[in-house]
This record gives sequence, C-alpha cells and structure tokens, in this order.
Amino acid sequence: DTEVTQTPKHLVMGMTNKKSLKCEQHMGHRAMYWYKQKAKKPPELMFVYSYEKLSINESVPSRFSPECPNSSLLNLHLHALQPEDSALYLCASSYPRDEQFFGPGTRLTVL
Amino acid sequence: SQQGEEDPQALSIQEGENATMNCSYKTSINNLQWYRQNSGRGLVHLILIRSNEREKHSGRLRVTLDTSKKSSSLLITASRAADTASYFCATDYNQGGKLIFGQGTELSVKP
Repeated sequence: DTEVTQTPKHLVMGMTNKKSLKCEQHMGHRAMYWYKQKAKKPPELMFVYSYEKLSINESVPSRFSPECPNSSLLNLHLHALQPEDSALYLCASSYPRDEQFFGPGTRLTVL
Repeated sequence: SQQGEEDPQALSIQEGENATMNCSYKTSINNLQWYRQNSGRGLVHLILIRSNEREKHSGRLRVTLDTSKKSSSLLITASRAADTASYFCATDYNQGGKLIFGQGTELSVKP
C-alpha cells in the first residue's frame, strides 16, 4: 500500500467549531508532516513528527493542535479558526527522510 | 528565508515540445527534489537528486544540479497534455526532514 489517505476531503466550519483532520499511511514510514497550502502558493510546513514525537513546529498558532496516536496515524485538531486559515491542508509521510508521499489533502473553509 | 526561487512562473508549450524549469536555492543542501501537483490535489514526488550528483534521469524527466551556482533544472522531454500541472522544487537543508518549496512553475501543455 503506497498511499497516504486524508479525511475528510472537504470541511466547512465556523469560527467557534472544533474539528479534526485525519491522515493515515501504511508504508511503515516513521516521519509524518502537516502542510498548509494557499491557492497559487507552495506548501508551507506546519509540523513534523518523527518516530511519533513532535520534532518540528513552525511557530504554528495554538488553534492548530497536532497529534500522532501511532506510527500510521496523524491528526490535526482545529479550534477557533479564522477565515484566513482557509486553505488546502496536506499530510505527507517519509521513511524518515528523502522523498515525501503526499495525501490528496483536505480543503478547509472557515466561515 | 531559505526559500528558493523558480522560473519561469508560468510556461505554455505545445505537445511534443520540451519544457525546462529552473530552481535556485540559498545555502548548502542535502538533496533537492521535484514534485508535481495537479490542480488542487496532493503533490507527487518526481525525482530526487543528492548534493553529490550532477544529473539524474527518470523516463522523460532529466534533472541537473549545479551546487556551485546553487541551482537545478528540470527538463520534461516530448511533453504531453497530461503533463499540465504545477511543478515545485523542494530543498532539504538537512533540518530533520524539513523541505523548503520553491514558488512553483505552472506548466500548460496544449494538444
């Protein structure tokens, strides 16, 4: 299985909602990543988990809370988001370096 | 910022022609990678070239790396309409798996 899956594909939420994005891989990769991508822009790294430990946090606001329950799963918990947080959220994994395998993304709209 | 630059920002060619995209970066790298992204979807890894390599091929793709000029180029030969996508270079500065993406080149291949 050489696939990274992400759910949901689309998410619309209000500024007071709490929601979660999920990412899963079964390639035995030990590093997992969250990226944020705005239209016509490159992906921007948010978080890196290496061997289930948070290794990089790119100064992301606390309204985004990552979680890595096990080596195959990665969650991103969302709370009190702002409209400017609307973007495509991409999950990726790697073993644990070199090429990254990306999921299809979650298109998030914050109203 | 360690973000590199890509040029051109947009490229429009006819099927069968070759497409060349360039990427420049700032400091010493561990490796440089190229990714493709179809509209609004996840990124697909194309090719990785390490800092001690000068050229690499994969099918119709040819990547070169010039560490003295801190630049790389991606050549797609005999382009097809299906090659229409955004192409990003990404540099690994040996910072725990973190990739820095360039601004991207939008390639349009007309049938």
